[in-house]
Amino acid sequence: KNQVEQSPQSLIILEGKNCTLQCNYTVSPFSNLRWYKQDTGRGPVSLTIMTFSENTKSNGRYTATLDADTKQSSLHITASQLSDSASYICVVSADSNYQLIWGAGTKLIIKP
Amino acid sequence: NAGVTQTPKFRVLKTGQSMTLLCAQDMNHEYMYWYRQDPGMGLRLIHYSVGEGTTAKGEVPDGYNVSRLKKQNFLLGLESAAPSQTSVYFCASTKEGLRPQHFGDGTRLSIL
Repeated sequence: KNQVEQSPQSLIILEGKNCTLQCNYTVSPFSNLRWYKQDTGRGPVSLTIMTFSENTKSNGRYTATLDADTKQSSLHITASQLSDSASYICVVSADSNYQLIWGAGTKLIIKP
Repeated sequence: NAGVTQTPKFRVLKTGQSMTLLCAQDMNHEYMYWYRQDPGMGLRLIHYSVGEGTTAKGEVPDGYNVSRLKKQNFLLGLESAAPSQTSVYFCASTKEGLRPQHFGDGTRLSIL
């Protein structure tokens, strides 16, 4: 069964600190992996999309990594800000571009 | 540029009632999607469309119908609402499958 698992479920860090969120997937075949940010009460917003051949992709203070061999991805947030408080969702696409398998997300809280 | 707009934002229904959720996008996107988001779970695809006049079933289509009569609009219908359909419904659109999906801010639906 195609699945995307994220850890931790929730995380609290102090403003200015770095953090790393994890994503493990069992999706086959694999097309691409995406990270989305979802603020409370809003729809998800795309952060990165990585295909099989890409190991790392950055979007400002967000850096995503992908290891297609171990089927793992991580999202690293540098110098966190209060506005980074949100849920971060890992999404994996199989060979059909219409079928995305969504993780349950990691809820990140940044405290001042 | 409004992006993806969902109407209504909130709705409370009684079991057995019917209603239609409207999604409108102004980005000339071909692909449109309807998802539901439930606590502790990833987004699940209900129905999707790859162009005007087309629709297809997603992961959880039972109890829902859709129509895409105009390219910019994607309607989701509940024929006879059930408490299990209490959820937050998100509409998304994209130019093509590999591009990021753009989301509306959701419709919060409660079925009593």
